[in-house]
Amino acid sequence: GAGVSQTPSNKVTEKGKYVELRCDPISGHTALYWYRQSLGQGPEFLIYFQGTGAADDSGLPNDRFFAVRPEGSVSTLKIQRTERGDSAVYLCASSSTMNTGELFFGEGSRLTVL
Amino acid sequence: GQQVMQIPQYQHVQEGEDFTTYCNSSTTLSNIQWYKQRPGGHPVFLIQLVKSGEVKKQKRLTFQFGEAKKNSSLHITATQTTDVGTYFCAGPMASGSRLTFGEGTQLTVNP
Repeated sequence: GAGVSQTPSNKVTEKGKYVELRCDPISGHTALYWYRQSLGQGPEFLIYFQGTGAADDSGLPNDRFFAVRPEGSVSTLKIQRTERGDSAVYLCASSSTMNTGELFFGEGSRLTVL
Repeated sequence: GQQVMQIPQYQHVQEGEDFTTYCNSSTTLSNIQWYKQRPGGHPVFLIQLVKSGEVKKQKRLTFQFGEAKKNSSLHITATQTTDVGTYFCAGPMASGSRLTFGEGTQLTVNP
């Protein structure tokens, strides 16, 4: 596609539920990032993929968070047993270069945990 | 841990006034990037600086990378209402694979 596509744009769920957020990067971009942004804060790094593998997952806050990119394109961020503190905008970004070149962000998925 | 800090957190200006935001890193950076996020939008890349002491201009925006490659600034001359948004600096940390963002400077411009 022309840009990074994220679905859903909005997700409201109840505490304890499981959530999946999807990211479709720009075609041909090998690097894919997930960030989380709370109101009034900068994007907080979660995980970085180079191809199919997670090159750096040190930003995932705990084992409830997991992300995959099985074919090196679309990625899914999975959150188990959601908590109210997980509420935020989850941003996906892709890049054509390996080492922190320009990031192209999607519109984000706003997650609200009630 | 390694951090990227920005000041000020908020800046309110009258249209036509200048604006500057400052970014400081706790470690030397290989490069620094600047992004702009409009209200309700997503971060959009503005520029990347790589060389020590580098200065780049984009119309009314001037970006500077410090000699020690630990700080950077963004200066906007004669602000316009279209400049409204939050400006973030970001630098690669640790292994170089993760881009760490500052907290941003939120700019409002009164017409």
